[in-house]
Amino acid sequence: QKEVEQNSGPLSVPEGAIASLNCTYSDRGSQSFFWYRQYSGKSPELIMFIYSNGDKEDGRFTAQLNKASQYVSLLIRDSQPSDSATYLCAVWNSGGSNYKLTFGKGTLLTVNP
Amino acid sequence: KAGVTQTPRYLIKTRGQQVTLSCSPISGHRSVSWYQQTPGQGLQFLFEYFSETQRNKGNFPGRFSGRQFSNSRSEMNVSTLELGDSALYLCASSLAGAASSGANVLTFGAGSRLTVL
Repeated sequence: QKEVEQNSGPLSVPEGAIASLNCTYSDRGSQSFFWYRQYSGKSPELIMFIYSNGDKEDGRFTAQLNKASQYVSLLIRDSQPSDSATYLCAVWNSGGSNYKLTFGKGTLLTVNP
Repeated sequence: KAGVTQTPRYLIKTRGQQVTLSCSPISGHRSVSWYQQTPGQGLQFLFEYFSETQRNKGNFPGRFSGRQFSNSRSEMNVSTLELGDSALYLCASSLAGAASSGANVLTFGAGSRLTVL
C-alpha cells in the first residue's frame, strides 16, 4: 500500500470554479499534513498545513482533514489560470525514527480561462 | 531572509563518476531533508539530518550518502553514478519542532538538476 495517494489527474476546471484535490494516507500515526504547489520546472512551495481534524482556511484555499478516514483534501475557490500546477500532498511522521515528510505523486491541475 | 541555497544548480556527469551536492538551509533551521524527484516516481525521500545526526534514511542504495555540518549546512554524495540517477535533487530545511507550531514545515531550495550520460 502506498503511503500517500493522490489522483494523478489531470484535473481540469474552468476559471472561477472550485477545484477539489484529494489525498489519502496509510499511517495512522501521521501528525501533520501539508499541501505544496509545484509549477513546472520549479521547486515545491507550501500552500498550507493542517494538523487537527476539521477545516482550515487561508484565502481561496481550504484544507480539510479527517484523521479517522485518513483523508485530507484541498479546495481552491475561484480558481485562476495561475493556479495551474501540480499539487502535492505530504504527510509528516516523527514517531520512532520516522522523521520524514512523505509526498504523494501529485495531482496536475489545469484551470482553463 | 535568505532561502534555502543549493549548489550547483545544474551538472552533467558520466556513468561511474561521483557527485557532491551542497545545501545551505535557512538561518536558524536545524533540520535538512533531501529528496530525489523524477517524472515517474515523484518526490522520493533520501535522508533527514538534525544537529549533524541522520535521523532517517529512505530506500536508496548505499551509493547515496549525506552529512550535516555544525552550521547545519548539508551535503549529499552519490558515488558510481548510474543513468537512473538523473533527477532533480531537492534540499529542504525546517525548524523541526511541534507539529502544531508548523515548525516542521519544509522550505525547499531550487534544486540541483543532475544529468548522467
